[in-house]
Amino acid sequence: NAGVTQTPKFRVLKTGQSMTLLCAQDMNHEYMYWYRQDPGMGLRLIHYSVGEGTTAKGEVPDGYNVSRLKKQNFLLGLESAAPSQTSVYFCASSYPRTGRTEAFFGQGTRLTVV
Amino acid sequence: AQSVTQPDIHITVSEGASLELRCNYSYGATPYLFWYVQSPGQGLQLLLKYFSGDTLVQGIKGFEAEFKRSQSSFNLRKPSVHWSDAAEYFCAAMNTGFQKLVFGTGTRLLVSP
Repeated sequence: NAGVTQTPKFRVLKTGQSMTLLCAQDMNHEYMYWYRQDPGMGLRLIHYSVGEGTTAKGEVPDGYNVSRLKKQNFLLGLESAAPSQTSVYFCASSYPRTGRTEAFFGQGTRLTVV
Repeated sequence: AQSVTQPDIHITVSEGASLELRCNYSYGATPYLFWYVQSPGQGLQLLLKYFSGDTLVQGIKGFEAEFKRSQSSFNLRKPSVHWSDAAEYFCAAMNTGFQKLVFGTGTRLLVSP
């Protein structure tokens, strides 16, 4: 199994441009998460989803949108990128219907907004 | 609000010495608890997890953690640190009913020769 796969791995955007980050998991997990990681601030939850067709806001949702149209995919969108969104983004999934589990993480997407 | 606190930003330990990284949580009910490790430029790897039961949890790479309900703590320990343990360590908690996973700000471990 591939686990959690994020694409792209690196991206440079100009201020005001838009983009979509894709997260795909093949573990049949119900829950999926998007985090951003900034120095000294740990991982902060942007948005999460507890099932197909559902999304919810995390700690830092402003400037981001998400969609979970298929159970295995969780998309993170930036409609108008700002330099403050320069960060490393991590996707994670957890909670198969078979029982409790930890979260599994992708390798991250390094985004720079200039 | 639910939160996880790691009070130490950086810790330096001599190779071969013991290690303890602190983690405190603030939740209404005891959450699920986790420790992850992140090497530079890498993703996060699970070291160990606590759901219920035995309060001393064994993990990979020789790590263990002790859950103390009275102190709302879940501290990570290792009896003898190796240079390869230098990394950033994150404590995390997940509300048992809601499954939102919250992280602490991390502790960077430096290992001196």
